[in-house]
Amino acid sequence: EVQLLESGGGLVQPGGSLRLSCAASGFSFRSDAFTWVRQAPGKGLEWVASIDESGSNTYNADSVKGRFTISRDNSRDTLFLQMHSLRVEDTALYYCVKGGLGRPQGVDPWGQGTLVTVSS
Amino acid sequence: QSVLTQPPSVSAAPGQKVTISCSGSFSNIGSKYVSWYQQLPGTAPRLLIYGNNKRPSGIPDRFSGSKSGTSATLDITGLQTGDEADYYCGAWDSSLNGGVFGGGTKVTVL
Repeated sequence: EVQLLESGGGLVQPGGSLRLSCAASGFSFRSDAFTWVRQAPGKGLEWVASIDESGSNTYNADSVKGRFTISRDNSRDTLFLQMHSLRVEDTALYYCVKGGLGRPQGVDPWGQGTLVTVSS
Repeated sequence: QSVLTQPPSVSAAPGQKVTISCSGSFSNIGSKYVSWYQQLPGTAPRLLIYGNNKRPSGIPDRFSGSKSGTSATLDITGLQTGDEADYYCGAWDSSLNGGVFGGGTKVTVL
């Protein structure tokens, strides 16, 4: 069974940092692109970042460019999102998703999400 | 506002059909694949349609997708109470060089 398990969320002050992790199992991790999608409380989905199979190519939303970095460790079947200079508006549930929106297969499956709260 | 435009809500009686539109531009829907996602209350989204009009295994054929020009459509026929959810379209945008989602459409079964 394909599983994605996010961790690393929590409460952080504005300007702080967090590192999200996503542990994958049940498939060949190194054969797929990955994406982070977030959802602010009561709001819609927002694409955050994507990374290709090798990790050589990454893409970031303008809203997080220069602050967030997506990366992966194919030896540990793990995806990361390093977040710096966090803002109140970064408060959201962050989902790890297999695939990319530019791929014919879309993004699926989705993890259960990890909650990031930015507040003083 | 979202790059892809969806109606905020649609509704219909059980057994009827609803259509959800997703309007974009050439740099996204017009030249890229469209996918659709269903988010039931309190749960993570799941893939409904990929590659504009393909259903993953396990998705009933009551759900269908299509694309024409810079717009895409999700049809749900034989509406059931269990279909009450938020629905999102998604695509890649070559101008932004990033992913984009619609703002979401809430489906209500009357």
